[in-house]
Amino acid sequence: GAGVSQSPRYKVAKRGQDVALRCDPISGHVSLFWYQQALGQGPEFLTYFQNEAQLDKSGLPSDRFFAERPEGSVSTLKIQRTQQEDSAVYLCASSAYRAGGYNEQFFGPGTRLTVL
Amino acid sequence: SQQGEEDPQALSIQEGENATMNCSYKTSINNLQWYRQNSGRGLVHLILIRSNEREKHSGRLRVTLDTSKKSSSLLITASRAADTASYFCATVGNGNKLVFGAGTILRVKS
Repeated sequence: GAGVSQSPRYKVAKRGQDVALRCDPISGHVSLFWYQQALGQGPEFLTYFQNEAQLDKSGLPSDRFFAERPEGSVSTLKIQRTQQEDSAVYLCASSAYRAGGYNEQFFGPGTRLTVL
Repeated sequence: SQQGEEDPQALSIQEGENATMNCSYKTSINNLQWYRQNSGRGLVHLILIRSNEREKHSGRLRVTLDTSKKSSSLLITASRAADTASYFCATVGNGNKLVFGAGTILRVKS
């Protein structure tokens, strides 16, 4: 079956531009996560949704970062007034939800954002 | 911020040799996982070990966990060129989010 997909795969933005990154999770997956991976580093948590509810946004680095999942499926990560330090790979992951246990996260291929 | 350290940062071995990577973490955990990442297939889950387990095997992979030392190791036996990738440990605490280490770059030479 289809995995997690992300678009665009590559995005080049001029400093100060707004960008929107899309994530299509695995169908039926309740949980959705966004991570940011800087060059040479491990991914870092940004935010987490359960259905349409954003339950944890503690990892968003500034108020320029905004994520939404209005219908509980597709999610968009928006970065306003991009800065060079925003250059990174943005990874989306989804998982099913089973109360009382850990649910494996499945990752998309990522969107590589380069801010010039 | 990253959970902890992984060592070595980079490892280069010959095909057929074993590769060992280590991971340390800082906080209490529910489970610890290892992931592989390469440009061809993105981030792929390899194995999960729960906090009450000490060792786990999956094919050529062996993972150990020492919660008293807050450390884990990943052993890949009989390495292959296709094992060339970056390897990350990731921990899960009380919530659902993964907290990753900085990773080990493994190169297997054929």
